[in-house]
Amino acid sequence: DQQVKQNSPSLSVQEGRISILNCDYTNSMFDYFLWYKKYPAEGPTFLISISSIKDKNEDGRFTVFLNKSAKHLSLHIVPSQPGDSAVYFCAASAAGGTSYGKLTFGQGTILTVHP
Amino acid sequence: NAGVTQTPKFRILKIGQSMTLQCAQDMNHNYMYWYRQDPGMGLKLIYYSVGAGITDKGEVPNGYNVSRSTTEDFPLRLELAAPSQTSVYFCASTRLAGVGGTDTQYFGPGTRLTVL
Repeated sequence: DQQVKQNSPSLSVQEGRISILNCDYTNSMFDYFLWYKKYPAEGPTFLISISSIKDKNEDGRFTVFLNKSAKHLSLHIVPSQPGDSAVYFCAASAAGGTSYGKLTFGQGTILTVHP
Repeated sequence: NAGVTQTPKFRILKIGQSMTLQCAQDMNHNYMYWYRQDPGMGLKLIYYSVGAGITDKGEVPNGYNVSRSTTEDFPLRLELAAPSQTSVYFCASTRLAGVGGTDTQYFGPGTRLTVL
């Protein structure tokens, strides 16, 4: 039972264009969402997050949008740069008494940005 | 700050052998986690700890054990290695404001384990 899904295994974009990575979730208890970036042979590094009380959060070239009614979030990268080429993981957490910050991850999307 | 460190980086085990994956953090984080990542899959939670002396199972705990005697260290033990445990293992930590809080998790570089 995949509670967090990233249905696109890979995405290829041209440098300078927009990259849009998508994520869907099924558990209505999730109320905090994060995006992690992972390079080969390294651990995931935090990119950006959003709480369910918001529908948008922006940090430089990165913007995350949350549509709670559709249980969908997306990460926009504008403009895309070759250094953004990595695996991007969507993760979700449920605040509450027994969550203890545990994260549920999607399968990841491999982003390739071509010069 | 070194952040979250993991040793070893790579290991090959034979079926039935045991080993301990080490994890340490120097950020004084109270919460620590072990995940495994199989090829083409997301990270799955094995065990987690909310403080020294307190641990609990995650989504895929079978075949593993953990202990948390100090705030800094959270080792993961494999007692009888099986090919199904071939994976990349990541340790993470975070400081949460409370049991209902959420915050960024910081990950170590991972341990790549192969069981033959």
